[in-house]
Amino acid sequence: QKEVEQDPGPLSVPEGAIVSLNCTYSNSAFQYFMWYRQYSRKGPELLMYTYSSGNKEDGRFTAQVDKSSKYISLFIRDSQPSDSATYLCAMRGMDSSYKLIFGSGTRLLVRP
Amino acid sequence: GAGVSQSPRYKVAKRGQDVALRCDPISGHVSLFWYQQALGQGPEFLTYFQNEAQLDKSGLPSDRFFAERPEGSVSTLKIQRTQQEDSAVYLCASSLAGAGQEDQGEAFFGQGTRLTVV
Repeated sequence: QKEVEQDPGPLSVPEGAIVSLNCTYSNSAFQYFMWYRQYSRKGPELLMYTYSSGNKEDGRFTAQVDKSSKYISLFIRDSQPSDSATYLCAMRGMDSSYKLIFGSGTRLLVRP
Repeated sequence: GAGVSQSPRYKVAKRGQDVALRCDPISGHVSLFWYQQALGQGPEFLTYFQNEAQLDKSGLPSDRFFAERPEGSVSTLKIQRTQQEDSAVYLCASSLAGAGQEDQGEAFFGQGTRLTVV
């Protein structure tokens, strides 16, 4: 079993929809949680960076972390065709742990 | 430069050939990482440098893989005697802070080198 599980999709939604992307994990030592967006043939780009449990909002994006359930989510409001990409969750342990553990990514398609 | 630069963007190698992949991190960034991303998968950690010191190479899949960062800036990932299973995108990332600092900050990724072994 992988340390981080993520539904690969693809997830297809109409423009303007609210999108929910999720990851579950097994390692309770993870403290830092990230969401990356990766366009085709590009490198991952950091969207959200969260420490421990709670919510964080940035524009149309909201990240939620529930450490008790080992479950993280990314919500995208008013989705746009330009949001079509693969979304990768990533996480790591305490400050001295530099190694990111990624999920396999969810492909999102926002239809105009 | 403005971001992490990797070259070449694409590399086709015949099985058994040696390849060298280059990474130019953001100037002044202490930490440098190499990840391997197979098709349809998330990146997997290969190795980590803090300045010129290779602190972790636990993710390198075999002794055919070798990485260096001799002057603490540019890094090269070398793969000897390439095999078909080495086909993947190789991503380099850098971050400002070193391991052990309270806020390591964001890791910036390059666009990757797509290696195809035929």
